[in-house]
Amino acid sequence: GIQVEQSPPDLILQEGANSTLRCNFSDSVNNLQWFHQNPWGQLINLFYIPSGTKQNGRLSATTVATERYSLLYISSSQTTDSGVYFCAVDTGANSKLTFGKGITLSVRP
Amino acid sequence: EPEVTQTPSHQVTQMGQEVILRCVPISNHLYFYWYRQILGQKVEFLVSFYNNEISEKSEIFDDQFSVERPDGSNFTLKIRSTKLEDSAMYFCASSDPGLATDTQYFGPGTRLTVL
Repeated sequence: GIQVEQSPPDLILQEGANSTLRCNFSDSVNNLQWFHQNPWGQLINLFYIPSGTKQNGRLSATTVATERYSLLYISSSQTTDSGVYFCAVDTGANSKLTFGKGITLSVRP
Repeated sequence: EPEVTQTPSHQVTQMGQEVILRCVPISNHLYFYWYRQILGQKVEFLVSFYNNEISEKSEIFDDQFSVERPDGSNFTLKIRSTKLEDSAMYFCASSDPGLATDTQYFGPGTRLTVL
């Protein structure tokens, strides 16, 4: 099956700093989603981005499908950005999502 | 904004007992999914459901698991005889095949603890 690798595994930032989280995948994808898992364990949808670039406030994401990677940018980080960020992909419409292992982000005040 | 809901938020059970986890998908969605996340690990796919039948399942989804859509709104996951290793967060998700995107929307999860 498809492999999803996320890097770095852990990231510690000072409040106000910017960061880039990476997701590599091993095959062509139909869907790519970025999630933020908050301290209560909830998975919050950030982006649906199988290709191209999207922005939502301080967050933006870019997927280069031909090179099989996606990047999530966090600017001016806040302590509430802390948590685990997951990338997930599927290879067919409405099929199962395969998740990466996640990136644990800690933003210090 | 419509959202997926799950009940209960936390369930504690004894090993060998049956549990039923409940989900209410977004109302116009037609694809439903269950995923699980063992503490500290990544989220894993269990099963997908469409048109009143299982469309895909993982090797984790063995004979002790079953899914059902008992009415027009609920989607359930049953574990017949729980094991210690079933302790995990279980997420329900749904998607709408009629949209240009097939974004899966996740519920808040049910944390299952098997003692």
